[in-house]
Amino acid sequence: AQRVTQPEKLLSVFKGAPVELKCNYSYSGSPELFWYVQYSRQRLQLLLRHISRESIKGFTADLNKGETSFHLKKPFAQEEDSAMYYCALRARGNEKLTFGTGTRLTIIP
Amino acid sequence: KAGVTQTPRYLIKTRGQQVTLSCSPISGHRSVSWYQQTPGQGLQFLFEYFSETQRNKGNFPGRFSGRQFSNSRSEMNVSTLELGDSALYLCASSLPTGNTGELFFGEGSRLTVL
Repeated sequence: AQRVTQPEKLLSVFKGAPVELKCNYSYSGSPELFWYVQYSRQRLQLLLRHISRESIKGFTADLNKGETSFHLKKPFAQEEDSAMYYCALRARGNEKLTFGTGTRLTIIP
Repeated sequence: KAGVTQTPRYLIKTRGQQVTLSCSPISGHRSVSWYQQTPGQGLQFLFEYFSETQRNKGNFPGRFSGRQFSNSRSEMNVSTLELGDSALYLCASSLPTGNTGELFFGEGSRLTVL
């Protein structure tokens, strides 16, 4: 079975401070991990995926298979980062995404 | 390119009624997935269709069903509505598996069951 855990429902960070949103997963196979973001009054959209190993809007995430984690990090938070963030997992070759319950990030000016 | 379009955006039903929600994917996308979003459970996978065939199904009762048409448009139906079916229903489309894996979401249909 697939499971994604985001332990923090709410996270508040001061502008300019580092941000880390935690994500842990449970899956017996080889997963693909994603971070999706939903800004206020916007659609849910992809932020980044682990296979791309890219930095989007200053965010990075590294897949740690030993710790089964995929934490999202940004060294300096910006006010526009305030949003709802969802970690998601899918099995290779399968369209189904299993989402975590999400973390609402608030950046304090 | 037009995004994923869902209709209706809002609807109110009473217990026992049935509802049909519609989703038009991005042009060229052949996979359509449906998710239920509630404050308590978050995003829960309902089902996924590709080329008019259901490829994946989540853990929802048989009251929840769907279908996909030859033009890739999809509908989902909920019969015998219960209060707990009140939720935002999100549709997402994607290119066939093997690509980026990115899902493109619609704005959702907000269902309220009274």
